[in-house]
Amino acid sequence: QSALTQPASVSGSLGQSITISCTGTSSDVGSCKYVSWFQQYPGEVPRVIIYDVSIRPSGVSNRFSGSKSGNTASLTISGLQAEDEADYFCSSCSPATTNDYVFGGGTKVTVL
Amino acid sequence: VQLVESGGGLVQSGGSLRLSCAASGFAVSDYWIHWVRQVPGKGLMWVSRINQDATYVAYADSVKGRFTISRDNANNMVYLQMDNLRADDTAVYHCTRDFDSGTNCWGQGTLVTVSS
Repeated sequence: QSALTQPASVSGSLGQSITISCTGTSSDVGSCKYVSWFQQYPGEVPRVIIYDVSIRPSGVSNRFSGSKSGNTASLTISGLQAEDEADYFCSSCSPATTNDYVFGGGTKVTVL
Repeated sequence: VQLVESGGGLVQSGGSLRLSCAASGFAVSDYWIHWVRQVPGKGLMWVSRINQDATYVAYADSVKGRFTISRDNANNMVYLQMDNLRADDTAVYHCTRDFDSGTNCWGQGTLVTVSS
């Protein structure tokens, strides 16, 4: 069981917007500014698409955006495209626990 | 900029393995280095991290007391010594630089299989 809770799957049609939630506690997401989102294609290494809650690395599409409210972080993908079909994971530092970082269980995004 | 892991393999429960992570294209001494593992087809789990001069190391609760992270900055290497391995340690182990930031870099990983 992962420390952060994500929906197992989210789907949307081409061009739609979807949001993936990542729910933790006041010991991790709620007290950490280092919340990140990863995109992973089958057989590939995860890549960071959002870090520090809402910052996009260079080269990442501006269709990806991140936010946080309380103990829940969110990843929004706008203008959904076929290449967005992948697994998405969130992570957070966990300053109030004995684990420095925790991950979510991952969300499979399907583009209809 | 590249990280290459080695040292994975098949080991019996209770056995040991030493994973190596070779960095190229950058000085490993400038970065925090983490190990993150993933059971194929499943989620990610942060395992351990070490700071630039090895004065800070940390471990996930599930590996604390069994795994030891270390580094050799002169040779641009980081290591993960894994002792008393259990079946639930079976995973692909990735060496990563700043795994959750804009300067992140991940190795392809090395597969560790622990048979019970």
